Amino acid sequence: DTAVSQTPKYLVTQMGNDKSIKCEQNLGHDTMYWYKQDSKKFLKIMFSYNNKELIINETVPNRFSPKSPDKAHLNLHINSLELGDSAVYFCASGTDPSSYNEQFFGPGTRLTVL
Amino acid sequence: QQPVQSPQAVILREGEDAVINCSSSKALYSVHWYRQKHGEAPVFLMILLKGGEQKGHDKISASFNEKKQQSSLYLTASQLSYSGTYFCGTANFGNEKLTFGTGTRLTIIP
Repeated sequence: DTAVSQTPKYLVTQMGNDKSIKCEQNLGHDTMYWYKQDSKKFLKIMFSYNNKELIINETVPNRFSPKSPDKAHLNLHINSLELGDSAVYFCASGTDPSSYNEQFFGPGTRLTVL
Repeated sequence: QQPVQSPQAVILREGEDAVINCSSSKALYSVHWYRQKHGEAPVFLMILLKGGEQKGHDKISASFNEKKQQSSLYLTASQLSYSGTYFCGTANFGNEKLTFGTGTRLTIIP
């Protein structure tokens, strides 16, 4: 059973397009995250949701819009894609938003903007 | 600010020991350690909390020095499966998000 799943695994698209990445967790966790890992492997938080409420927004351009329809899902929509958006996007989940608990990461979505 | 890890990369022979350091410029509340293999997701190793004890399981352990605002990960008698990039993630007082370090690439050769 996959704990945190993401679709698609690979996404290749042209500059200016709009795309979405979906994430689902079956762990019963309250908190979900989006991270971006760039070409230098730096892993940086973008957003965090707890019980469908946004709790962290790390000064990400407003072209990025997360949506959490329920506790088990957190999707990421990106408008007007730019070359610099190329990266691996990881979804993660945790039991709560504190730093006491481990985070479980999904397999990642490799986004390539041409 | 991003925690700094050292070394950036290390190559070891199977059976050798490794130490990976994670330093922060701010007071730390907790430190997480994750390992990421190439093309895969980061996988949790352990958490150390302020005032807590040194953690460890199997041949991987870690320490947390609050005064120095740093943590160290110890890998003993390294195995081929230990290869990957190790990240520390730190959380500060009053701030619950994790800020991940610069990463340490560990390569174990037979």
